[in-house]
Amino acid sequence: ETGVTQTPRHLVMGMTNKKSLKCEQHLGHNAMYWYKQSAKKPLELMFVYSLEERVENNSVPSRFSPECPNSSHLFLHLHTLQPEDSALYLCASSQEGRDRGRPQYFGPGTRLTVT
Amino acid sequence: LAKTTQPISMDSYEGQEVNITCSHNNIATNDYITWYQQFPSQGPRFIIQGYKTKVTNEVASLFIPADRKSSTLSLPRVSLSDTAVYYCLVGTYGGSQGNLIFGKGTKLSVKP
Repeated sequence: ETGVTQTPRHLVMGMTNKKSLKCEQHLGHNAMYWYKQSAKKPLELMFVYSLEERVENNSVPSRFSPECPNSSHLFLHLHTLQPEDSALYLCASSQEGRDRGRPQYFGPGTRLTVT
Repeated sequence: LAKTTQPISMDSYEGQEVNITCSHNNIATNDYITWYQQFPSQGPRFIIQGYKTKVTNEVASLFIPADRKSSTLSLPRVSLSDTAVYYCLVGTYGGSQGNLIFGKGTKLSVKP
């Protein structure tokens, strides 16, 4: 138990559906992240919310839309996904300061299957 | 971008010490070096972080030479449960590209 929870743990959706992934951290951290991990591929950073700024990987398609209403909650809104978007989606949090790159604490992930 | 290079896989036996080295030749001045452990279908777990010299905690040690172009994760007396993928991560997010990059990691297999 890392203090980062994700729901749902498993999700199957069609290409025309709209769904959202939820992440909540109970660690009092000020930064939250979304990662994608495809089979046998490295973790890919998708989005970061930290110190009230948002950083995004420009290679992430617009069908993925993040939302961070406060420092404890993070959402990833999904719409019109493709089968290649099937992957493990991981949320993480960290306590960032002037020196960035502090340890991240990951949730258990959401296993997404797009049919 | 501070890319990292690690061995793809390593084999060990229970009770042995395992050392995994990561190369990061273009590490930036303010980059931390962080190691994570990941089991299948789970999120990575933070192991240890350092900036220079040696860091030790209850799980592992991290050795960083003066030039910081590499680092070595040392796991003392491994057990079967240490079989996992180990990632070396250098740097942080920043700018418009989100340059926090996990490499392919090292798959450690511990045998009885």
